[in-house]
Amino acid sequence: ETGVTQSPTHLIKTRGQQVTLRCSSQSGHNTVSWYQQALGQGPQFIFQYYREEENGRGNFPPRFSGLQFPNYSSELNVNALELDDSALYLCASSLGPSGGDTQYFGPGTRLTVL
Amino acid sequence: QQQVKQSPQSLIVQKGGISIINCAYENTAFDYFPWYQQFPGKGPALLIAIRPDVSEKKEGRFTISFNKSAKQFSLHIMDSQPGDSATYFCAASHRGRGGADGLTFGKGTHLIIQP
Repeated sequence: ETGVTQSPTHLIKTRGQQVTLRCSSQSGHNTVSWYQQALGQGPQFIFQYYREEENGRGNFPPRFSGLQFPNYSSELNVNALELDDSALYLCASSLGPSGGDTQYFGPGTRLTVL
Repeated sequence: QQQVKQSPQSLIVQKGGISIINCAYENTAFDYFPWYQQFPGKGPALLIAIRPDVSEKKEGRFTISFNKSAKQFSLHIMDSQPGDSATYFCAASHRGRGGADGLTFGKGTHLIIQP
């Protein structure tokens, strides 16, 4: 186990609603990254937070936002849900923000948008 | 634009055989190439990683071969076991850009090891 936990495990929402997903990083890891994994695809980078600031973002619209807290917890918020947002959402923590730092993934939250 | 192309999409290997998964990348700025293993219901877990200053890295039964000029890298699993049945992802990143781009993943290979 990586020591990275996520909640909830599964979530069902309706189009247009808002959702908050939560992640608890490994102790001592000051960097968290979020990924979206569609069925049968590889994870896609959403954004990264380092010391509570957004450090980088992939090709995702602003309705995807995040927060990182000093206690190694973080959140992914998605507004105005669309059907295509249905996916497994993964958080990954790392010691630092370098592209070469090992990222330790949590088990993910399965989001279904109806 | 798919920056990391992975093949095959699925692979069936007999127990004790060699499993080979290939990846090709386009972005010459990539300089860190990890492989992740994912079991159903779990997040990806780092298996082995390589940097482009070496052509091969071996850890136990797992070996990465890297060809910088061809912009290709591959994972070899020797003496494949049923417990190796999982989905494997290659990935790439640019260490210098840090978190700005994250990891770029291939689409994955579903590996089945038959007893």
